[in-house]
Amino acid sequence: QVQLQESGPGLVKPSQTLSLTCSVSGDSISRGNSYWNWVRQYPGKGLEWIGNIYYSGSTYYNPSLKSRITISVDTSKHQFSLRLTSVTAADTAVYYCARLRRSAGAFDTWGQGTMVTVSS
Amino acid sequence: ENVLTQSPGTLSLSPGERATLSCRASQNVSSTYLAWYQQQPGQAPRLLIYSTSNRATGIPDRFSGSGSGTDFTLTISSLEPEDFAVFYCQQYGSSPATFGQGTKLEIK
Repeated sequence: QVQLQESGPGLVKPSQTLSLTCSVSGDSISRGNSYWNWVRQYPGKGLEWIGNIYYSGSTYYNPSLKSRITISVDTSKHQFSLRLTSVTAADTAVYYCARLRRSAGAFDTWGQGTMVTVSS
Repeated sequence: ENVLTQSPGTLSLSPGERATLSCRASQNVSSTYLAWYQQQPGQAPRLLIYSTSNRATGIPDRFSGSGSGTDFTLTISSLEPEDFAVFYCQQYGSSPATFGQGTKLEIK
């Protein structure tokens, strides 16, 4: 059974960089039939797709965040990561990692989510 | 980006009743790339339906999806107590992937 687990600090200061890691078990990032994604959910409940990475390292980012985000993958550690620079209070959200199956274009497996608060 | 608008915002029904949730896209969506999710409080979204009408693994057959082009529907044929939650539609036919704002299904 595939499981995803987010990890990283729950509190980040304004203007600093948010860094999160997603650990994958039960599936291989290198298999090539999935994209590995970051999605966030604001306190008011809206969901926003941040971006994804393919095992080859190809990335696809939401244009609204493209200038501030980097998603990377470490297949040997079965992990992929998110870096979001210059954070503000508007980046406060629950951050999820999720698997998207190429054939269905749907997020079939999600991590439990991690709350990140941007505050001084 | 393709904006998804869900209606109604809140739906109040009783167990045993039929629920019909709507998702309208601002641009055509390939039926392959329209999905529905259910989210319970404090939990991650759970995939219910993918490719417009295919139930995800373990999803009961009281959940069904339909639609094409810009109009899509999630139907729950007979509500069970555990079905009351927030539902989201999502598309990835065009980048960026986008979600609707959600429909809250509450017990009447």
